[in-house]
Amino acid sequence: SQELEQSPQSLIVQEGKNLTINCTSSKTLYGLYWYKQKYGEGLIFLMMLQKGGEEKSHEKITAKLDEKKQQSSLHITASQPSHAGIYLCGADDGNKLVFGAGTILRVKS
Amino acid sequence: SQTIHQWPATLVQPVGSPLSLECTVEGTSNPNLYWYRQAAGRGLQLLFYSVGIGQISSEVPQNLSASRPQDRQFILSSKKLLLSDSGFYLCAWGVGASGRGETQYFGPGTRLLVL
Repeated sequence: SQELEQSPQSLIVQEGKNLTINCTSSKTLYGLYWYKQKYGEGLIFLMMLQKGGEEKSHEKITAKLDEKKQQSSLHITASQPSHAGIYLCGADDGNKLVFGAGTILRVKS
Repeated sequence: SQTIHQWPATLVQPVGSPLSLECTVEGTSNPNLYWYRQAAGRGLQLLFYSVGIGQISSEVPQNLSASRPQDRQFILSSKKLLLSDSGFYLCAWGVGASGRGETQYFGPGTRLLVL
């Protein structure tokens, strides 16, 4: 089955700084999903990528899927306290979604 | 628009007691429904999914069961809770083919603590 590895596991950034979170798959990605979760709450869908080289943006968050479709990155520009939370990547795997362990983001004011 | 509800939000139960968590979806018909568990420091684990009324698929054999008595209602149950059942339970819905480009939308979750 597919396994997703996220890096870093956690990071602390100063407000206004840029950051990148990576999601690497053990297999070719056919559908890659990014979610955000605040502690104790449900997951909020951010973006979905399917095509090699695809890039999508939502406000200050940009996600890319590499050409080989085995890695995705999530980039946040000019981070704000509202960006703090846990970012999870998920991938289509047969008849279900599998998820990475998540990246905890803290933004210092 | 579609919304998904879960209750209760928090639950503290003694070991050996029964469990019933409920999830309902509004604003869509014939959704695929999912139960996940998120344990501390671990990722999301798919427990059950359903593509229709009365149709339940189990991903992990364990102390839990699921039922779908109505199109937009999904219930997670246990006859006797174990300490290891503690965790954050999330319900999700999607429309399409699971694992084939279907986006899943999650509920607010239920935090279960078994003592």
